[in-house]
Amino acid sequence: NAGVTQTPKFRVLKTGQSMTLLCAQDMNHEYMYWYRQDPGMGLRLIHYSVGEGTTAKGEVPDGYNVSRLKKQNFLLGLESAAPSQTSVYFCASRLLGGRYGYTFGSGTRLTVV
Amino acid sequence: RKEVEQDPGPFNVPEGATVAFNCTYSNSASQSFFWYRQDCRKEPKLLMSVYSSGNEDGRFTAQLNRASQYISLLIRDSKLSDSATYLCVVNSRYNFNKFYFGSGTKLNVKP
Repeated sequence: NAGVTQTPKFRVLKTGQSMTLLCAQDMNHEYMYWYRQDPGMGLRLIHYSVGEGTTAKGEVPDGYNVSRLKKQNFLLGLESAAPSQTSVYFCASRLLGGRYGYTFGSGTRLTVV
Repeated sequence: RKEVEQDPGPFNVPEGATVAFNCTYSNSASQSFFWYRQDCRKEPKLLMSVYSSGNEDGRFTAQLNRASQYISLLIRDSKLSDSATYLCVVNSRYNFNKFYFGSGTKLNVKP
């Protein structure tokens, strides 16, 4: 049982380049999330999805887009990377209902130069 | 004001010590509460949920105080392996499907 898998694990981008981060879960979870984690700021929600074909904005959505075409996959796109997007990105999923916690992927370390 | 606030620490304690962390939250209608553990350069992992009546899991005890809007985590008989950052998580008043994370409290357990 793989849980939540993120690819790639590391990436270096030049300013203005684009990329897509992939998150895949095999637990049949309804909800999926993308967070970024920066030193001293904790985890901040970028976008989330409450089901296949649905997405919603979180706290810091600017500069990112997402898609959830299949229940098991949640993609995070950076259309034109900026140095401010240098961060560690975590994907998470969980079951329907507020009492269930998250399962996180192992993260993607992105550096934009 | 942040949704969730934690003392960043670090808390430096000797092995065998008892240590407690508090976390305050701003929305009185928050419904779900959790403690997560995050090791350096790793993903957060669920440590335990926090129930209204308080709950215990081995050396770990979690408490909820709704009147004062804080949750606590008590670790007894600290082990070297308990060294990590502990994150407090609460859900959103306006969207029970959205959760907010504290910045974390760092614990260093020394031999």
